[in-house]
Amino acid sequence: EAQVTQNPRYLITVTGKKLTVTCSQNMNHEYMSWYRQDPGLGLRQIYYSMNVEVTDKGDVPEGYKVSRKEKRNFPLILESPSPNQTSLYFCASSPGVLPNQPQHFGDGTRLSIL
Amino acid sequence: AQSVAQPEDQVNVAEGNPLTVKCTYSVSGNPYLFWYVQYPNRGLQFLLKYITGDNLVKGSYGFEAEFNKSQTSFHLKKPSALVSDSALYFCAVRNNAGNMLTFGGGTRLMVKP
Repeated sequence: EAQVTQNPRYLITVTGKKLTVTCSQNMNHEYMSWYRQDPGLGLRQIYYSMNVEVTDKGDVPEGYKVSRKEKRNFPLILESPSPNQTSLYFCASSPGVLPNQPQHFGDGTRLSIL
Repeated sequence: AQSVAQPEDQVNVAEGNPLTVKCTYSVSGNPYLFWYVQYPNRGLQFLLKYITGDNLVKGSYGFEAEFNKSQTSFHLKKPSALVSDSALYFCAVRNNAGNMLTFGGGTRLMVKP
């Protein structure tokens, strides 16, 4: 089954403790992206990757890192999490960067930073 | 910079009645517009998209959307709502370079029996 898989689905942690949220897709997609969802703000793009070893900032990149060493994986790294990063996070992918391509989303990761 | 506005936080409609969820956008160049739906504890699911051509776009689950270039709108519609349509709906625009997808704030649709 074609899917985008995120882990963990839920995480409660403390300020300053490094964490990584993994994202993997099995569709051989070139484009991958991370979003955070906050009430009333919709989804905001954190980082995206147009291909292996190519990453770039989205609208809200502060406090986050990403890497794209393999086509299928696009982990989101919070080096020193803070409470304002408490949010619902989504990973998404699309075959390429053609603007008419819809993105496929994972089921989300709910992070709580205490 | 591109932007999307969904002016209603919530839309309430009775089952069997038509529904409309509103969306307006701002983007440079051609608009590539999408509607997604989110059910509880799930990711976003693609409903439909507008690229070029017919201003009325048909999508999944009986939904359709009307594109209006002069009003820069892309409203989501369905002729007869179902209780199972209750969910959070997002309008989005992808830029011409394809690297950025910008979402509206979302509209919660409540369909009552």
